[in-house]
Amino acid sequence: QVQLQESGPGLVKPSQTLSLTCSVSGGSVSSSSHYWTWIRQSAGRGLEWIGRVFVSGSTTYNPSLESRVTISLDTSKNQFSLRLTSVTAADSAVYYCVRDREGRADFDYWGQGTPVTVSS
Amino acid sequence: DIQMTQTPSSVSASVGDRVTLTCRASQAVRGYLAWYQQKPGKAPNLLIYDTSTLQPGVPSRFSGSGSGTDFTLTISSLQPEDFATYFCQQAKDFPPTFGGGTKVEMK
Repeated sequence: QVQLQESGPGLVKPSQTLSLTCSVSGGSVSSSSHYWTWIRQSAGRGLEWIGRVFVSGSTTYNPSLESRVTISLDTSKNQFSLRLTSVTAADSAVYYCVRDREGRADFDYWGQGTPVTVSS
Repeated sequence: DIQMTQTPSSVSASVGDRVTLTCRASQAVRGYLAWYQQKPGKAPNLLIYDTSTLQPGVPSRFSGSGSGTDFTLTISSLQPEDFATYFCQQAKDFPPTFGGGTKVEMK
C-alpha cells in the first residue's frame, strides 16, 4: 500500500518561501509509471493543482503559479519536494502530496495533508 | 483552464435515498472525468475515473455517467458513511481542475 506523508513548517511569513517535503513508502518515486504531484486546498480557492514531477526530472506546473513554483525529486530518500516563493496570505491552504494514476491526470493516493498558514 | 461547476452545492438526503450529483465542464473533456469523496479533516479519495470506472474497493452503489461536458455521480442507496463532500475533476487538459464540491448532508 502506497503511503505519502507531507512535512514542513506550518507557518510561513509573507514574502518568504514555503518548502514542503513528501516522503513516500510502499512505492518508489523512481517509478516510470507515475508522476508525483502537489495539490492544495483552501476555502477560497478550492482544490488547486500545483504541479508534478517525473523520475526523469521533467516537471509541469500550473501556469497560475509557474513563476513561483519548483517541484523536485530526491530518489535516494524516496521523497519529492515543493518550493513556493514570495508567498502571500492567498497561499494559505492545506497542501497535499499525491500520486497520479499511472501517468493519468487523476489521483489515486494522497497524503493526509499539511496545513500551511502565511502570516507575519 | 477548463472550469468545473458542480450542482447543487449541498443536498440533504436520508439513508437509503438515491442521490444524484451533477458536474458540468466549460468545454468537452472526452470522458476524462473523475469523482472524489472527502470527509472532514481527510484527503480526497478517488471513487471513479474515466467517467464510469470504479476505483478498486469502491462500493458498487456508486456509479458515474456522462459525456462531453455533463456528468453525474449516483449513489444508489445512501449509506451512513456516504455523508461527505464530493468533487469532480477533469483529467483531459493541464492544469487538471476540480469542481467546487457538493456536500451530502443528513436530512
